[in-house]
Amino acid sequence: DTAVSQTPKYLVTQMGNDKSIKCEQNLGHDTMYWYKQDSKKFLKIMFSYNNKELIINETVPNRFSPKSPDKAHLNLHINSLELGDSAVYFCASSQAATAKNIQYFGAGTRLSVL
Amino acid sequence: QQQVKQSPQSLIVQKGGISIINCAYENTAFDYFPWYQQFPGKGPALLIAIRPDVSEKKEGRFTISFNKSAKQFSLHIMDSQPGDSATYFCAAGGSNYKLTFGKGTLLTVNP
Repeated sequence: DTAVSQTPKYLVTQMGNDKSIKCEQNLGHDTMYWYKQDSKKFLKIMFSYNNKELIINETVPNRFSPKSPDKAHLNLHINSLELGDSAVYFCASSQAATAKNIQYFGAGTRLSVL
Repeated sequence: QQQVKQSPQSLIVQKGGISIINCAYENTAFDYFPWYQQFPGKGPALLIAIRPDVSEKKEGRFTISFNKSAKQFSLHIMDSQPGDSATYFCAAGGSNYKLTFGKGTLLTVNP
């Protein structure tokens, strides 16, 4: 029973397209995150939501728009995809009240922009 | 500005040996220091973590050593096994929700 699940696992698309990645967690956590891992494996936070409110918004192009319909879901929509968006995107979650820094990661979505 | 510096970038160890990965941080507001393990095609998984009120934490073959004054912490893997071959990330967190990651260390344990 996967704790943090992302779909799709692989996403291959053309430059200029719009795509979405979905994330769901069944851990009962109230905080969710999106990370980007580049080709050199560097992990960088992009966004975080706590109880559906945006709490972290790093320097990310506004082509990236996160949406949290409820505490268990955090989706990432990307407009006008560029070659440089190719990366692995990870969703993560944590429980703010007890252990906000203990983050659990999904398996990742490998995005390839052609 | 890289707030968490990790070394080495890659490490090759023989089976049964000790693997040591080091990290240094700059921000004294950090109060949580986890290590994550990532296998190819998988997400990072929490391995072990420490808070600055202790200098060492051990869980099985994995030990974190923490030096608050030097702002450094390290991961020691005793009796390294081929199954430990993975990328290891140190990270640091504070009062906000953000974890700042090191650049990772690719560990290869030869049989």
